[in-house]
Amino acid sequence: SQTIHQWPATLVQPVGSPLSLECTVEGTSNPNLYWYRQAAGRGLQLLFYSVGIGQISSEVPQNLSASRPQDRQFILSSKKLLLSDSGFYLCAWGLWASDEAFFGQGTRLTVV
Amino acid sequence: AQSVAQPEDQVNVAEGNPLTVKCTYSVSGNPYLFWYVQYPNRGLQFLLKYITGDNLVKGSYGFEAEFNKSQTSFHLKKPSALVSDSALYFCAVVGGDSNYQLIWGAGTKLIIKP
Repeated sequence: SQTIHQWPATLVQPVGSPLSLECTVEGTSNPNLYWYRQAAGRGLQLLFYSVGIGQISSEVPQNLSASRPQDRQFILSSKKLLLSDSGFYLCAWGLWASDEAFFGQGTRLTVV
Repeated sequence: AQSVAQPEDQVNVAEGNPLTVKCTYSVSGNPYLFWYVQYPNRGLQFLLKYITGDNLVKGSYGFEAEFNKSQTSFHLKKPSALVSDSALYFCAVVGGDSNYQLIWGAGTKLIIKP
């Protein structure tokens, strides 16, 4: 069966420090991969999506970047965190537009 | 512009009563419609979807939703609410012009009181 792993679950980082959040998927091939941010426990903001290795689309210009070095690995990064980067980050995968998306458990990032 | 609206920030229901969480959408073409649930500090879980066919779809945990094309709605329902249904619910849609990306509603917090 398919599973998605996202880590760490919580992270506290100082302003100006780098960030690397990792997401891996098991049990499927060539998934579409997504990074979302959720502020204040409400709406989802799509940050990046990828339809294949090395293919990244950015939805919102910002301090973050994403990479997909392997088919089932999706990484969210920042060189220098800002206070405004705090939030709940969710990784997800799906195959087709008519299929449901599967979400990781999320990473609570607090920038201090 | 394509959009999804969940007009209620919060819905309060007594345990055992029926519940409805509303969702309306505006997209081009035939929509794919989804409901997800999120428990505190967790990822989203898929509940149900409408792709084509019968307008009434049944999903996990006793939830169901009805696709109404004329009203462009996809309300989530359950005949008898449980306290454990308390969570954040998201409606999402894929439309013809959304580049096959999900368009999300803002979420509705459902509170079931004992």
